[in-house]
Amino acid sequence: EDQVTQSPEALRLQEGESSSLNCSYTVSGLRGLFWYRQDPGKGPEFLFTLYSAGEEKEKERLKATLTKKESFLHITAPKPEDSATYLCAVQAEGSGNTGKLIFGQGTTLQVKP
Amino acid sequence: GAGVSQSPSNKVTEKGKDVELRCDPISGHTALYWYRQSLGQGLEFLIYFQGNSAPDKSGLPSDRFSAERTGGSVSTLTIQRTQQEDSAVYLCASSWAAGTGETQYFGPGTRLLVL
Repeated sequence: EDQVTQSPEALRLQEGESSSLNCSYTVSGLRGLFWYRQDPGKGPEFLFTLYSAGEEKEKERLKATLTKKESFLHITAPKPEDSATYLCAVQAEGSGNTGKLIFGQGTTLQVKP
Repeated sequence: GAGVSQSPSNKVTEKGKDVELRCDPISGHTALYWYRQSLGQGLEFLIYFQGNSAPDKSGLPSDRFSAERTGGSVSTLTIQRTQQEDSAVYLCASSWAAGTGETQYFGPGTRLLVL
């Protein structure tokens, strides 16, 4: 069964304290791994798509990496505005042509000034 | 350009009533998805539309749930005889294509509360 697990569930950081969020996945074949940011009361906002092991993408203080079993979202020198829930999702080859996403439970990040 | 829009943003209804939720995808996107996000739960897939093809309804939790997509654009998710366990945020997403690793862009969601 295709599955996505994120850790930790919650993370508290001081402003400027770098850290990483983990997304472990088990799929029959990976078409893509997606990172989203979700603020309270809003829909998920797209951050990154990764397709193959070894791929890396960066945006401001965020960097996403991918291996054959997991992805990391590295946050460098975070600011309070980075506080949000970060969601990881995979699109599996087993989903046929639908492309439905399988989501993890998310990591809620709080950055204190 | 305009993103995915959903209406209403909030809906409060009584148990047993029917509700309709609307999604307007990004212009030109052929694939449209509905997901549900319950308190303490991750997002779960409900239904998918691609062009004029038959929808994938494999994620619908019961036959009280149905959806249609008119003219390959706007979609409506209908929940009949609502139950308290239907209370959740219903999210719509769209993408250029489906099943090829295309990014899905989400709307703001409709928050449904069944009393």
